[in-house]
Amino acid sequence: ETGVTQSPTHLIKTRGQQVTLRCSSQSGHNTVSWYQQALGQGPQFIFQYYREEENGRGNFPPRFSGLQFPNYSSELNVNALELDDSALYLCASSLDGLPDQPQHFGDGTRLSIL
Amino acid sequence: RKEVEQDPGPFNVPEGATVAFNCTYSNSASQSFFWYRQDCRKEPKLLMSVYSSGNEDGRFTAQLNRASQYISLLIRDSKLSDSATYLCVVNQNRDDKIIFGKGTRLHILP
Repeated sequence: ETGVTQSPTHLIKTRGQQVTLRCSSQSGHNTVSWYQQALGQGPQFIFQYYREEENGRGNFPPRFSGLQFPNYSSELNVNALELDDSALYLCASSLDGLPDQPQHFGDGTRLSIL
Repeated sequence: RKEVEQDPGPFNVPEGATVAFNCTYSNSASQSFFWYRQDCRKEPKLLMSVYSSGNEDGRFTAQLNRASQYISLLIRDSKLSDSATYLCVVNQNRDDKIIFGKGTRLHILP
């Protein structure tokens, strides 16, 4: 069984730039959720994708956008990067977008904005 | 009131002690509940789901009290390897779906 993989592991960008983070879901999982985790905080839900459609969204501005592909992999795009976007970005996969299904996390991408 | 609140930490307890964590949630329509653990600079990993009737997995026991809107996690006979941050997670049937607590850090002392 292949677990959740994310790329890249680390990334440094400057304010105003754009970034794309990638995630491959665990084999057999069709739902991907993205989270932002600042230092000392719990993960904050950004959005979830199920069957290539957005299936829920947290309190993040529109410059945070995403995609899911037919193979269930996903991308998180962030435009007009701000200093506060510096965080660990976690991807998690699960099954069928159901609330009783636990999330299986990747190792995350650590994004630093200078 | 925050949507999901956990005990502020850190908890420093001797090896072998019993530790209890509490977590309260504000949305009474919340559907599913989980405990995750997160080691330093690692991803969260599922510890256990929390069922209405309560459930146990070895040294770990989880309870749900829907009337009072809280969940708890009990760790018996704590080990050094239990040192981590414990995250309470609530899934709710609305757009902002999945809410994590801030986490409670646990240090088990030899």
